Amino acid sequence: AQKVTQAQTEISVVEKEDVTLDCVYETRDTTYYLFWYKQPPSGELVFLIRRNSFDEQNEISGRYSWNFQKSTSSFNFTITASQVVDSAVYFCALSEGGATNKLIFGTGTLLAVQP
Amino acid sequence: DVKVTQSSRYLVKRTGEKVFLECVQDMDHENMFWYRQDPGLGLRLIYFSYDVKMKEKGDIPEGYSVSREKKERFSLILESASTNQTSMYLCASTRIGQGNSKNIQYFGAGTRLSVL
Repeated sequence: AQKVTQAQTEISVVEKEDVTLDCVYETRDTTYYLFWYKQPPSGELVFLIRRNSFDEQNEISGRYSWNFQKSTSSFNFTITASQVVDSAVYFCALSEGGATNKLIFGTGTLLAVQP
Repeated sequence: DVKVTQSSRYLVKRTGEKVFLECVQDMDHENMFWYRQDPGLGLRLIYFSYDVKMKEKGDIPEGYSVSREKKERFSLILESASTNQTSMYLCASTRIGQGNSKNIQYFGAGTRLSVL
């Protein structure tokens, strides 16, 4: 069965600290996709990144970086020099890659960045 | 930009009422989804649709039905609302095929439903 685990329920940091959000997944598929979404207080989920199972390159986008390791089934998300605007719930998700594009979500990590 | 619009941000209904949650997307996406979000449980899939008039149950379809008469619109129906259906409901859409945006789900702002 497919599963996504985000063990960190809540994280609180002070502005400018670096923070890593953990995501561990389970799947028997060889082709799959991993995602991160951000949900600010307004409620709308905002897409951040998609990574397919054949691409283990890490990715950096500004202050955001993602570390994908198939050996440990992990897809962790690091925010460098956090800012108050980063405060949100962050979801990791897994898609089996079929035509339906269904997503399996983790339970989310609430990140609070204090000024 | 992809836009997914949910008709209401907040809704208060009484137990036993029939409730309609509407979702419209403007990018000609084939697939549309309804999720509910509850604290500590993440997002759980209620129903999805991969074409007009086509639907499939998700993980928690009990107490819900859906309708997709037009490609851009996907409705979630609570036939007889109950208090345990108080939740945040999120609609999403995605396109199939190739390209960079394939299988990325785009979400609406959500409808917070309270059933009293």
